[in-house]
Amino acid sequence: DGGITQSPKYLFRKEGQNVTLSCEQNLNHDAMYWYRQDPGQGLRLIYYSQIVNDFQKGDIAEGYSVSREKKESFPLTVTSAQKNPTAFYLCASSKMLGRGTGELFFGEGSRLTVL
Amino acid sequence: DQQVKQNSPSLSVQEGRISILNCDYTNSMFDYFLWYKKYPAEGPTFLISISSIKDKNEDGRFTVFLNKSAKHLSLHIVPSQPGDSAVYFCAASGLTNAGGTSYGKLTFGQGTILTVHP
Repeated sequence: DGGITQSPKYLFRKEGQNVTLSCEQNLNHDAMYWYRQDPGQGLRLIYYSQIVNDFQKGDIAEGYSVSREKKESFPLTVTSAQKNPTAFYLCASSKMLGRGTGELFFGEGSRLTVL
Repeated sequence: DQQVKQNSPSLSVQEGRISILNCDYTNSMFDYFLWYKKYPAEGPTFLISISSIKDKNEDGRFTVFLNKSAKHLSLHIVPSQPGDSAVYFCAASGLTNAGGTSYGKLTFGQGTILTVHP
């Protein structure tokens, strides 16, 4: 079945460590996104990518990094510079970044807890 | 600056009755609006959308209404079912002030927890 796979589902990290969250999609979508969800808040955009080897900062990119070496993959690294990394991270994809194509398909999320 | 707001953190409804979830936005550049449904520990799933050229879009039990002049949209669920209990997010996208587009770069509201009681 087509979809978006995020791994790991749960991750614990010690302060000062970098951690990478995986996101793979087999929907043949051009655009991919990373959102963060915190309690009582909506989803906030971290980074997005419209095509391979290109990505743009979202609203809260500080302390995060991404790469887009393949169309299917868009990993997110949470670096030690991210001051409040404990959150639920959601990866999403869409057909293309254009009018009327705002529908995103989301993965099941990765919950990161910093100890 | 919260450009998309869902002012009701929670809503409780009896099974069979109507659920009305509200959303307000401030950015006049938004022209495409979506509702997502989210269960705990899962990713949101797309529910219904509406373009700013319309004022209503219906899909089965779900109807979204858009009032552009008031910058307000609402989601109606009729009849409500216990399985509808979830968090509902309103989201918006459109042109940016810089002249580009933000489609796909959705701006989400805080979410409303809907509980439908049997």
